[in-house]
Amino acid sequence: DVKVTQSSRYLVKRTGEKVFLECVQDMDHENMFWYRQDPGLGLRLIYFSYDVKMKEKGDIPEGYSVSREKKERFSLILESASTNQTSMYLCASSSGGASGANVLTFGAGSRLTVL
Amino acid sequence: GQNIDQPTEMTATEGAIVQINCTYQTSGFNGLFWYQQHAGEAPTFLSYNVLDGLEEKGRFSSFLSRSKGYSYLLLKELQMKDSASYLCAVRDSNYQLIWGAGTKLIIKP
Repeated sequence: DVKVTQSSRYLVKRTGEKVFLECVQDMDHENMFWYRQDPGLGLRLIYFSYDVKMKEKGDIPEGYSVSREKKERFSLILESASTNQTSMYLCASSSGGASGANVLTFGAGSRLTVL
Repeated sequence: GQNIDQPTEMTATEGAIVQINCTYQTSGFNGLFWYQQHAGEAPTFLSYNVLDGLEEKGRFSSFLSRSKGYSYLLLKELQMKDSASYLCAVRDSNYQLIWGAGTKLIIKP
């Protein structure tokens, strides 16, 4: 069964802390994505990557950075957590190429609370 | 700006049929997706439409009209396990996904 695994389901951090959210996929997918999901809003893209060591800003990259050192792993970093970053974070992956469906496979999510 | 609209919440009865609508205004169009998300779980892919018309997959069907910027997801023979949020997403001219806020579907016995 193909999987996207997010290392932490629930995290509680303090304002100003550095936070790492890890995501690993076992489908040999080229593309990986980080979204945040907030009530009443659609998924918002933070960063994405089409290849190892490659990253592109999404719609809301401010306050976040990412790392993709290996194809299967895509990490989201909050350099200095703030309360407005309290959210559900979803990692997703898809196979490469712009044509076709390129269906996203999502991880179960990491719910981050910043106090 | 780009916008996806879908109802916030719908209620239906077990065994019945429900239609969840999605209207969109985007910069270009390269496909429309429906995902299902149970509470506390990952979204999972349901359907993909890129041409006008109806795509049927078991109890679920998805319809697209590109000229009207409109899609619907039709769920037949509703089961309690269909209680979930249903997310509509459109891929724009840059092949980026624009997401609706989701429709929470409540199934009553």
